[in-house]
Amino acid sequence: GQNIDQPTEMTATEGAIVQINCTYQTSGFNGLFWYQQHAGEAPTFLSYNVLDGLEEKGRFSSFLSRSKGYSYLLLKELQMKDSASYLCAVRHTDKLIFGTGTRLQVFP
Amino acid sequence: GAGVSQSPRYKVAKRGQDVALRCDPISGHVSLFWYQQALGQGPEFLTYFQNEAQLDKSGLPSDRFFAERPEGSVSTLKIQRTQQEDSAVYLCASSRLGFGNTIYFGEGSWLTVV
Repeated sequence: GQNIDQPTEMTATEGAIVQINCTYQTSGFNGLFWYQQHAGEAPTFLSYNVLDGLEEKGRFSSFLSRSKGYSYLLLKELQMKDSASYLCAVRHTDKLIFGTGTRLQVFP
Repeated sequence: GAGVSQSPRYKVAKRGQDVALRCDPISGHVSLFWYQQALGQGPEFLTYFQNEAQLDKSGLPSDRFFAERPEGSVSTLKIQRTQQEDSAVYLCASSRLGFGNTIYFGEGSWLTVV
């Protein structure tokens, strides 16, 4: 079966750092994606990891450990506009399998 | 076009009515996906096309759901005899071929069955 787990909700303060964890158990693995989704909008691509290690892109970084079935998304210098859902997704063959998403609320 | 375009953006259907949702992918994108997203949940895979070939339809919840992409570009998701549990956002996505390529999503078609 396919199982992707991430926390349902998180809160943080503007200017802080937050780490959103994702663990997965899938029968196949062709990479892990993180997407951001604001309410009522399309998911937008944030990052892609296929090899172990950290990928940094501006304020956002993503880490992958394939042996542990684990990834995290790190958001630095949080801004109010970062309040959104963050979706972890594993690419299995051609399709993406998503977790339920983590709803992040940033407070002033 | 610049992005994945979906229509209609909002649809209210009476129970039992048939609906058709259209997706216009990014030009040149070979791969096209349909997902269903319930409120507060992550997107659930429905079906996948590579050009006009439907390679995976394992996520279609019942035989009331049907998708096509006859010319390898625009795709239509059809739901027959809609039921209340079909109420959701239907997301279309497209990408170039290859596992590492980004999958781009449209804004979705919001279906409410009353």
